[in-house]
Amino acid sequence: NAGVMQNPRHLVRRRGQEARLRCSPMKGHSHVYWYRQLPEEGLKFMVYLQKENIIDESGMPKERFSAEFPKEGPSILRIQQVVRGDSAAYFCASSPGQSSYEQYFGPGTRLTVT
Amino acid sequence: AQSVAQPEDQVNVAEGNPLTVKCTYSVSGNPYLFWYVQYPNRGLQFLLKYITGDNLVKGSYGFEAEFNKSQTSFHLKKPSALVSDSALYFCAVRVHSGTYKYIFGTGTRLKVLA
Repeated sequence: NAGVMQNPRHLVRRRGQEARLRCSPMKGHSHVYWYRQLPEEGLKFMVYLQKENIIDESGMPKERFSAEFPKEGPSILRIQQVVRGDSAAYFCASSPGQSSYEQYFGPGTRLTVT
Repeated sequence: AQSVAQPEDQVNVAEGNPLTVKCTYSVSGNPYLFWYVQYPNRGLQFLLKYITGDNLVKGSYGFEAEFNKSQTSFHLKKPSALVSDSALYFCAVRVHSGTYKYIFGTGTRLKVLA
């Protein structure tokens, strides 16, 4: 059973471009969480999704950021018109449901905005 | 506000000595508490959790944690540290505010010296 997959592992974008980060949860998991980790800081919750639904996006910046988890395919975190402050590691975690307490993390995508 | 605090940015310990990584929390209701470990350029790995029951929780790689309700603490411990334990450790609490989400501490870097 493959773990949580994230791609790309490293992404370089110029200011103003768009960044698309993908997350494939573990098989059988229908809940996905996205976190951002700035250098030397902890993880900050961004968004919680189930298949075709955004459950909680209270941690997402109001502009430029969006997330989806379609019925088929990976979850996508999309950042439009990236700025240098978006440079960070973005982690995805999945779980089979709310009754399951552990989250299983992917290896992360390191976004660098130049 | 619900929060998790890891008061030490870094902990240094000699190999073979016991180690403690501190965590305190502030949540309403009964806390669900977790420890995760992060190795360089990797995602977080689950170590252990406290949901209910025995205050001493045993986890992976010989780690354990003690839940102390009166002190609102959940310190991570290991009787004998290994150099390979050197990593970044995160304490987290699961909270419910509309939906379930996880709040992470800022992390403590553990350095085990040979």
